[in-house]
Amino acid sequence: KQEVTQIPAALSVPEGENLVLNCSFTDSAIYNLQWFRQDPGKGLTSLLLIQSSQREQTSGRLNASLDKSSGRSTLYIAASQPGDSATYLCAVIGTAGNKLTFGGGTRVLVKP
Amino acid sequence: ETGVTQSPTHLIKTRGQQVTLRCSSQSGHNTVSWYQQALGQGPQFIFQYYREEENGRGNFPPRFSGLQFPNYSSELNVNALELDDSALYLCASSFSRGGHETQYFGPGTRLLVL
Repeated sequence: KQEVTQIPAALSVPEGENLVLNCSFTDSAIYNLQWFRQDPGKGLTSLLLIQSSQREQTSGRLNASLDKSSGRSTLYIAASQPGDSATYLCAVIGTAGNKLTFGGGTRVLVKP
Repeated sequence: ETGVTQSPTHLIKTRGQQVTLRCSSQSGHNTVSWYQQALGQGPQFIFQYYREEENGRGNFPPRFSGLQFPNYSSELNVNALELDDSALYLCASSFSRGGHETQYFGPGTRLLVL
């Protein structure tokens, strides 16, 4: 059974600092890994999707890496801004291809 | 905005009642997945529908059931509501049942069971 863990559960940084969010998963047989952002009480916004054959994906200030063999992904957010304050969730799709398994999320606060 | 819509946005029910939640998928998508997100936790997979057929189910009891219609919109039905069913219910649509495409989430329906 796939298990996804995100550490830390919460993070507070001053504006301008780089953010590093970690995600680990127990079963390396995945199709892809996605990072999502969730604002309080809202739905999920997809940030990046990394296919299992890829090592990283970049979008603007966001960069996500994937090391499938060690079961790890890291989301980097450069030069954080107060608007980056949200909960960040990672999720994997296994080879059955029909469901996302989520971590518990990392709640980020960027202080002005 | 993802183009995925859900209704209602909020709902209050009492124990033992039944509830129906609705989801309209993004244009061109034929797969809808439903997730339950308890407060402070990550979403948990309930089930997925692909072209009107159930295509996988998570660890939820049979009182959680669903439908997908020919226009690919979907319903989640929950019978005999329990207090622990209080959660944010999210639907996600994608182009296919495979794992290679991004799933796009709606804003969710927040259900409170008293």
